[in-house]
Amino acid sequence: NAGVMQNPRHLVRRRGQEARLRCSPMKGHSHVYWYRQLPEEGLKFMVYLQKENIIDESGMPKERFSAEFPKEGPSILRIQQVVRGDSAAYFCASSPDRTGGNQPQHFGDGTRLSIL
Amino acid sequence: KQEVTQIPAALSVPEGENLVLNCSFTDSAIYNLQWFRQDPGKGLTSLLLIQSSQREQTSGRLNASLDKSSGRSTLYIAASQPGDSATYLCAVQGGSEKLVFGKGTKLTVNP
Repeated sequence: NAGVMQNPRHLVRRRGQEARLRCSPMKGHSHVYWYRQLPEEGLKFMVYLQKENIIDESGMPKERFSAEFPKEGPSILRIQQVVRGDSAAYFCASSPDRTGGNQPQHFGDGTRLSIL
Repeated sequence: KQEVTQIPAALSVPEGENLVLNCSFTDSAIYNLQWFRQDPGKGLTSLLLIQSSQREQTSGRLNASLDKSSGRSTLYIAASQPGDSATYLCAVQGGSEKLVFGKGTKLTVNP
């Protein structure tokens, strides 16, 4: 049983480039969550998606960041025109349904994004 | 706005010692509380999930308690081992599905 798969594990970009982070949820899971972990900080919620729908994007920066979870394929977190402050570990989690307090979110190993 | 605090930020103990990690949260209207383990450069491993109607959960040498009214949870680790060395994260889930995390407690168990 494959867990939540994130790729790439490490990504290096220069300022002004675009970064694309991919997340394949666990088999049978239709809900995806993205979190960001800045150095010396806790994980912060960014966005919650179901297939083809953004449910909650209250944690997403208003500019340069977008997320999608298409009907087919992985969820994508896209960061345009990256800046040094975007350097962080980005984690994806999935769940089979609205957890409603009954089921944990399962996390991937993260993508470490470094901006030169 | 929910805020989660973990104390201490770091803890170093000799092998074999029993220890307690603390977590507090400001809004008691939660669905559940989860404890995670994070190893350096790795993702999060879910250790225990306590639903809001429960008082505690146990898994092996781990026991987590929840006092929702006072906004507190503890993670008890019995007979600690060097392999328990990691960062332990506490997270609460409210009605919006998102998890709110503390900054973690970095545990070192010395042989």
